[in-house]
Amino acid sequence: SQQGEEDPQALSIQEGENATMNCSYKTSINNLQWYRQNSGRGLVHLILIRSNEREKHSGRLRVTLDTSKKSSSLLITASRAADTASYFCATLYNQGGKLIFGQGTELSVKP
Amino acid sequence: DTAVSQTPKYLVTQMGNDKSIKCEQNLGHDTMYWYKQDSKKFLKIMFSYNNKELIINETVPNRFSPKSPDKAHLNLHINSLELGDSAVYFCASSQIGGTGGSHGYGYTFGSGTRLTVV
Repeated sequence: SQQGEEDPQALSIQEGENATMNCSYKTSINNLQWYRQNSGRGLVHLILIRSNEREKHSGRLRVTLDTSKKSSSLLITASRAADTASYFCATLYNQGGKLIFGQGTELSVKP
Repeated sequence: DTAVSQTPKYLVTQMGNDKSIKCEQNLGHDTMYWYKQDSKKFLKIMFSYNNKELIINETVPNRFSPKSPDKAHLNLHINSLELGDSAVYFCASSQIGGTGGSHGYGYTFGSGTRLTVV
């Protein structure tokens, strides 16, 4: 299976703290993407990082990519209660054009 | 103006029935997808169409048949529904063309159809 893995599966923090989620994948990729899913809703695209990039920022989000370790991390700084959601990494592999999702991290930010 | 819209939002039906889920995107994207999310939130791709042509067909039972009348629509028809088909089905679209290579855009997802087979 090409499915990646995320850790932790669940993360509970206080408002204002930083949240870090990790993702590992298996074979060479075209890009890696992070999505957020609020309870009962669809997925929302947050950020995309290409295989030749090492770090990317978008607002309070910082994504890193280490292709030698086949891993990525998503950092949410100064978290807010509204950040409570499931976060998924997804990898676009060079073969087949399929976007494969990890199992997600459930983030709970307590006010 | 919903970018990717799916109907219905909820679908409760009995085993053995046939049902359809419709999806439309107004983003002008070339490629559309169906994903299935199970009760553990695991998302698995089912089908992908690029400009009305089927390009990805995962190991999905023949009871599932996608249809794309034009590149803005991708419908999913399910025959002889089984209990195990209960899940949330998401439609998505993107500018990714053909069999690979991203133009640097993410996918846009619909809000999902929660299918419950009883």
